[in-house]
Amino acid sequence: KNQVEQSPQSLIILEGKNCTLQCNYTVSPFSNLRWYKQDTGRGPVSLTIMTFSENTKSNGRYTATLDADTKQSSLHITASQLSDSASYICGQADSWGKLQFGAGTQVVVTP
Amino acid sequence: KAGVTQTPRYLIKTRGQQVTLSCSPISGHRSVSWYQQTPGQGLQFLFEYFSETQRNKGNFPGRFSGRQFSNSRSEMNVSTLELGDSALYLCASSLGLAGGRVYNEQFFGPGTRLTVL
Repeated sequence: KNQVEQSPQSLIILEGKNCTLQCNYTVSPFSNLRWYKQDTGRGPVSLTIMTFSENTKSNGRYTATLDADTKQSSLHITASQLSDSASYICGQADSWGKLQFGAGTQVVVTP
Repeated sequence: KAGVTQTPRYLIKTRGQQVTLSCSPISGHRSVSWYQQTPGQGLQFLFEYFSETQRNKGNFPGRFSGRQFSNSRSEMNVSTLELGDSALYLCASSLGLAGGRVYNEQFFGPGTRLTVL
């Protein structure tokens, strides 16, 4: 069973709108939580990395939040652009450095 | 600074064959990690090499092996290929600093698309 679960599996949003992606993790012990963006045919690109002491981290129009108590993280995309169409992957590292990833959320931004 | 490069980009093999994939990390990076990505399973960690030593390993059979050279370049080998090995194989490099290695940002290459027929 995957210990990092993402929702929704996919979503379609209109250009200019906001959206929020969810990530639930159960990997223990926790070290850090990462969000990646993966364009079709390319490798993932890091958006944010957060330790358990960080609640929020932003990278341009991307804002990630972390709730270590409920073991949930979210990625908020503000004022979406066509170039935001991609797969967004949540990954969690344990204290030994091993990363586990969710299956990803496929985001499609339409004009 | 050049990014992570992987060769070849595409590969077609038949069942039972073996394959070797190559990864050149960003200059100065000493850690190289390998991942398998499939539509059904997502990204799965294979192993990590740091200074020519395997430092971390995922839950894959022994048919999957790797090594790292003194210049930090890494190779991954899969023997006795099975249909289920068809996937995108990604490598990622990072500084791999001992004290904060779990926090090191990883930079991914474009991947090698392996198809097993």
